[in-house]
Amino acid sequence: DQQVKQNSPSLSVQEGRISILNCDYTNSMFDYFLWYKKYPAEGPTFLISISSIKDKNEDGRFTVFLNKSAKHLSLHIVPSQPGDSAVYFCAAPYSGGGADGLTFGKGTHLIIQP
Amino acid sequence: KAGVTQTPRYLIKTRGQQVTLSCSPISGHRSVSWYQQTPGQGLQFLFEYFSETQRNKGNFPGRFSGRQFSNSRSEMNVSTLELGDSALYLCASSVVGIYYEQYFGPGTRLTVT
Repeated sequence: DQQVKQNSPSLSVQEGRISILNCDYTNSMFDYFLWYKKYPAEGPTFLISISSIKDKNEDGRFTVFLNKSAKHLSLHIVPSQPGDSAVYFCAAPYSGGGADGLTFGKGTHLIIQP
Repeated sequence: KAGVTQTPRYLIKTRGQQVTLSCSPISGHRSVSWYQQTPGQGLQFLFEYFSETQRNKGNFPGRFSGRQFSNSRSEMNVSTLELGDSALYLCASSVVGIYYEQYFGPGTRLTVT
């Protein structure tokens, strides 16, 4: 059962506009969330994180919003740039169910159009 | 600071064989985690080592094992390879563990024929 879900496999956004990537989770015990970006042939790169005690965290062009009641988080990129084209993963550390670790969504491929 | 390095980058093995992959973390990082990435399942957590001890483990069969050395370098081993083990294996290091920013290596692409 996938506890972190990214329901959009891909997203196309025009350069300069806002990119919004969404992530839903099912486990209410999650208390920390991370976003990673991955280019082809490279490992994922940490982007931004948020603790469940906050509902927003901002770092430059990147902002993550957390809605605990909806079990939903989103990553906003403003303005979108060509170098933002990559696969974005949302992730959460978890413990329980016989497994402990970091669980990832399946990723959203963001394509920035010129 | 040098990044996370993984060797080899590419590997082709035959069903039934075993394989060992290596990971050197960033200097000063004591936590090393391993992940398997496949098109169907995405990124899945294998295990995490800290100070030579396996601290966390994902839902993978016992054919997947690992270890960490005193210098924090880590190896993972897969025995009796199956076709479904074909994947990108990623190693990540962090200062203290999975709740913190992890730095990933480029991965080892394993193909099982």
